[in-house]
Amino acid sequence: RKEVEQDPGPFNVPEGATVAFNCTYSNSASQSFFWYRQDCRKEPKLLMSVYSSGNEDGRFTAQLNRASQYISLLIRDSKLSDSATYLCVVNGPAGNMLTFGGGTRLMVKP
Amino acid sequence: DAGVIQSPRHEVTEMGQEVTLRCKPISGHDYLFWYRQTMMRGLELLIYFNNNVPIDDSGMPEDRFSAKMPNASFSTLKIQPSEPRDSAVYFCASSSQNTQETQYFGPGTRLLVL
Repeated sequence: RKEVEQDPGPFNVPEGATVAFNCTYSNSASQSFFWYRQDCRKEPKLLMSVYSSGNEDGRFTAQLNRASQYISLLIRDSKLSDSATYLCVVNGPAGNMLTFGGGTRLMVKP
Repeated sequence: DAGVIQSPRHEVTEMGQEVTLRCKPISGHDYLFWYRQTMMRGLELLIYFNNNVPIDDSGMPEDRFSAKMPNASFSTLKIQPSEPRDSAVYFCASSSQNTQETQYFGPGTRLLVL
């Protein structure tokens, strides 16, 4: 079983749609959670951290369910520029290490 | 403020040759990470350093891979001898204790071993 699992997609959605990605993680000791975004042929970049109480940044909302070991990312009013791969990330297994999921690819169509 | 710098950006070499990838972390960051990304395996951590000391190298695939960090502003990842299955994008990332585990990635080195 992978430590961080994501549906690879692709998710093909029209502009303006709302789309949600989920991810599950296996390490119950993980304390920090993130979503990174990776554009084609570019490096991963931090999109947002995920807090226990849930958090929102503009059109993006992230939520964490520790009991189910589940993280979600909701994108409202999708833009063409949102097309990318979204990586679910949890800290661990130790120190400042991060474990990355395989990513979910999003394609927003006009 | 410069981000993480990696060189070369692209490398094409023949099987059996030595390959050296270079990384300059963000100034003031005390953690440095080397990752490898392939379509099949995604993003894998190879090794990471804290204050120039290797902490965990359990992700290094085999003895052909070695990494060094002689000072706070420079690290190398060496593959000797290289094999076609080493073809991948190699990313270097850095972070600081103060940034709460947020890692900043360099642009990567695309390696093709023929």
